Amino acid sequence: EDQVTQSPEALRLQEGESSSLNCSYTVSGLRGLFWYRQDPGKGPEFLFTLYSAGEEKEKERLKATLTKKESFLHITAPKPEDSATYLCAVQAGGGATNKLIFGTGTLLAVQP
Amino acid sequence: EAQVTQNPRYLITVTGKKLTVTCSQNMNHEYMSWYRQDPGLGLRQIYYSMNVEVTDKGDVPEGYKVSRKEKRNFPLILESPSPNQTSLYFCASRAVLGTPQHFGDGTRLSIL
Repeated sequence: EDQVTQSPEALRLQEGESSSLNCSYTVSGLRGLFWYRQDPGKGPEFLFTLYSAGEEKEKERLKATLTKKESFLHITAPKPEDSATYLCAVQAGGGATNKLIFGTGTLLAVQP
Repeated sequence: EAQVTQNPRYLITVTGKKLTVTCSQNMNHEYMSWYRQDPGLGLRQIYYSMNVEVTDKGDVPEGYKVSRKEKRNFPLILESPSPNQTSLYFCASRAVLGTPQHFGDGTRLSIL
């Protein structure tokens, strides 16, 4: 069964304290792995797409990496405004399915 | 501005009273989806559509209906809502498979 697991569930960091969030997946035929940020009361906001093992993407203090079994979202020198829930989603399988499988997210709190 | 618009944003109603949540996108996207988000369960796909008049079930379709008569609109229909459908609902659209989804800001439904 296709599955996406994120860890930790919650993470509290001090401003400037770098860390990583994990997204591990077991799917039949990865067609894309997506990272989103979700603020309270809002819909998920797209951050990155990764398609193949070894791929990396960067945006400001965030860097996403992908292996054959997991993805990491590295946060370098975070600021309080980086506080949010970070979601990972995987599109799997062949054909024209629009099915996405989401993890349950990591709630990040960055304290000043 | 490119966006996905859901209405209403909040709704409190009673068991058995039919309701419709509207979703509209202005990006000419082919694919649209509905999700529900519950604590500890993450985002789960209810239904998705790959084009006008083409829809398919996601992971949790029971108790829901959808239609796609126009490309821009994808309403979610609860014919006889029940309390276990109390949740936060998101509509999303994407241009093609493998590209990121754009989410609306959500509809919080409470079924009493």
